[in-house]
Amino acid sequence: EAGVTQFPSHSVIEKGQTVTLRCDPISGHDNLYWYRRVMGKEIKFLLHFVKESKQDESGMPNNRFLAERTGGTYSTLKVQPAELEDSGVYFCASSLRLAGVYNEQFFGPGTRLTVL
Amino acid sequence: AQSVSQHNHHVILSEAASLELGCNYSYGGTVNLFWYVQYPGQHLQLLLKYFSGDPLVKGIKGFEAEFIKSKFSFNLRKPSVQWSDTAEYFCAVNAPSGTYKYIFGTGTRLKVLA
Repeated sequence: EAGVTQFPSHSVIEKGQTVTLRCDPISGHDNLYWYRRVMGKEIKFLLHFVKESKQDESGMPNNRFLAERTGGTYSTLKVQPAELEDSGVYFCASSLRLAGVYNEQFFGPGTRLTVL
Repeated sequence: AQSVSQHNHHVILSEAASLELGCNYSYGGTVNLFWYVQYPGQHLQLLLKYFSGDPLVKGIKGFEAEFIKSKFSFNLRKPSVQWSDTAEYFCAVNAPSGTYKYIFGTGTRLKVLA
């Protein structure tokens, strides 16, 4: 079974540019999460999809961030325009169920974003 | 607000030493508890989890954790570490309702000397 994949693994952009990160969850996982880790700090929740619907986007830093999950499969996270403080590692995770023993989240390798 | 504290940010041990990494959480209700590990160059993977039942949980690679409800703690232990345990360890909690989003601690970097 393929795990959660993320693309690209690294991205270096200049302030003001746009970047789009992609996450492919494990097939059949309706729940998809985005998290971010800024250097030296904890991994923080950004948002949660159930299929194509946003259930919770309380962690999104501001309106420069836009997440989509068209068709309930892969998801994209766009940052436009990027600022220096957006640098960090962006993790995607998916889970089969919310409740019970299947609510374990499986993580992708992350995308390291550097904004210069 | 919910939070998770990992007291040890960096730990250095020799092989065969015992390991205990602290994790305390702040939340008023029922929680699910997790320990994840990230080996160098790899993605986060689950070591063990606690939902209910026996508060002593055994995970992969010889790790275990004990949930002490009165202390809001979920410390990770291993009796004898190996060089291959060098990694970053994350404690996480989620509430069994709503989005089940994780609240993570800041992580503990463990280095095991051969």
